[in-house]
Amino acid sequence: DVKVTQSSRYLVKRTGEKVFLECVQDMDHENMFWYRQDPGLGLRLIYFSYDVKMKEKGDIPEGYSVSREKKERFSLILESASTNQTSMYLCASSFRGMVLNYGYTFGSGTRLTVV
Amino acid sequence: GQQLNQSPQSMFIQEGEDVSMNCTSSSIFNTWLWYKQDPGEGPVLLIALYKAGELTSNGRLTAQFGITRKDSFLNISASIPSDVGIYFCAGWTEYYTGANSKLTFGKGITLSVRP
Repeated sequence: DVKVTQSSRYLVKRTGEKVFLECVQDMDHENMFWYRQDPGLGLRLIYFSYDVKMKEKGDIPEGYSVSREKKERFSLILESASTNQTSMYLCASSFRGMVLNYGYTFGSGTRLTVV
Repeated sequence: GQQLNQSPQSMFIQEGEDVSMNCTSSSIFNTWLWYKQDPGEGPVLLIALYKAGELTSNGRLTAQFGITRKDSFLNISASIPSDVGIYFCAGWTEYYTGANSKLTFGKGITLSVRP
């Protein structure tokens, strides 16, 4: 079964810590995405990548950075975690260039709490 | 940018009831997708629609691609407790998803089912 795997289901970090959220997909997808999900706000795109070493800002990139050194792995980095970054983080991936596209495959999410 | 509108934010139904949700846009979409997110998990694709007027079923779920291509509908029949979750609509405006193509998501509807 194809999968998008997020390394942690739950994380608790302290304010000011550097936080790494890891995502790995085994579907040879070109595109990978990081979203955060908050009640009432839906899914908000933080960053996405359409190729190795390529990245594009999404709607809310402030306070975040990303790294994509290998096709299958996309990392989200919180340089200095703050309490307003407490949220559910979702990684997703997809093929590029499909006429009939089945959308994104999501990971199970990482619930991050910053204290 | 494009937006997909889903309302209300929450719905409460009795077990056994049918429920309908819709998703609307001011722009034309060429693909409509419906996702479900179980509590504590990532969204999972339920149904994909590719042609105006298309009606597709997946078990007790039926979805339709609106004739105007600006809306889509999801119906759940004979609801059961495991139908609880967040239902997202999503769509592509393009036929060919290039490097910067991104799915547009609605904010989701949280469904609660009373036993």
